[in-house]
Amino acid sequence: EVQLVESGGGVVRPGGSLRLSCAASGFTFDDYGMSWVRQAPGKGLEWVSGINWNGGSTGYADSVKGRFTISRDNAKNSLYLQMNSLRAEDTALYHCARVLVLGGVIVKAFDIWGQGTMVTVSS
Amino acid sequence: QSALTQPASVSGSPGQSITISCTGTSSDVGGYNYVSWYQQHPGKAPKLMIYDVSNRPSGVSNRFSGSKSGNTASLTISGLQAEDEADYYCSSYTSSSSYVFGTGTKVTVL
Repeated sequence: EVQLVESGGGVVRPGGSLRLSCAASGFTFDDYGMSWVRQAPGKGLEWVSGINWNGGSTGYADSVKGRFTISRDNAKNSLYLQMNSLRAEDTALYHCARVLVLGGVIVKAFDIWGQGTMVTVSS
Repeated sequence: QSALTQPASVSGSPGQSITISCTGTSSDVGGYNYVSWYQQHPGKAPKLMIYDVSNRPSGVSNRFSGSKSGNTASLTISGLQAEDEADYYCSSYTSSSSYVFGTGTKVTVL
């Protein structure tokens, strides 16, 4: 079964750090780009960051640029998000999502999503 | 990058058709055929319903269809069913090599 399972969320003080992980299974992880998408409680989806298949290309939303770092370890089938200088507005459920690939072509959409890990930034 | 604009809510009776709009700019929706749509039931992860404006992934009902005109994309659900009641989000790739999501639309089946 194709699956993404996030972990590492929790409660952290403003200014603190947290590292999220996403474990992939059921597919060849290094064939796919990946992203993190978050959803604040009762709010909509927000793209946070993305990484290509080998980690050579990354991108960030303006809201997290300079504070968050995305990375991956293909040997461990894992995606990560290092979050520093956390703010109250970073409070959200963080999903990892797989970029769709069809016939070897990268489609700019997300076809597999994890259930998410909750991050709460509060004093 | 500002969120794409969607109506907060759309409703319809079983069997009817409804359309959800998604308005962006020439830097996102209008500039690329990379609009996707997601369905999200409460407490669940989003599910891809449409990619590249109008393509359905395998397993998605043909009652769901997508289109685009200028800076506005649309998702139409035909033959509305109770199970279609959910939140729907559009998304577009952008000129900044990022993604932007819509504000979300709650679909209610009357």
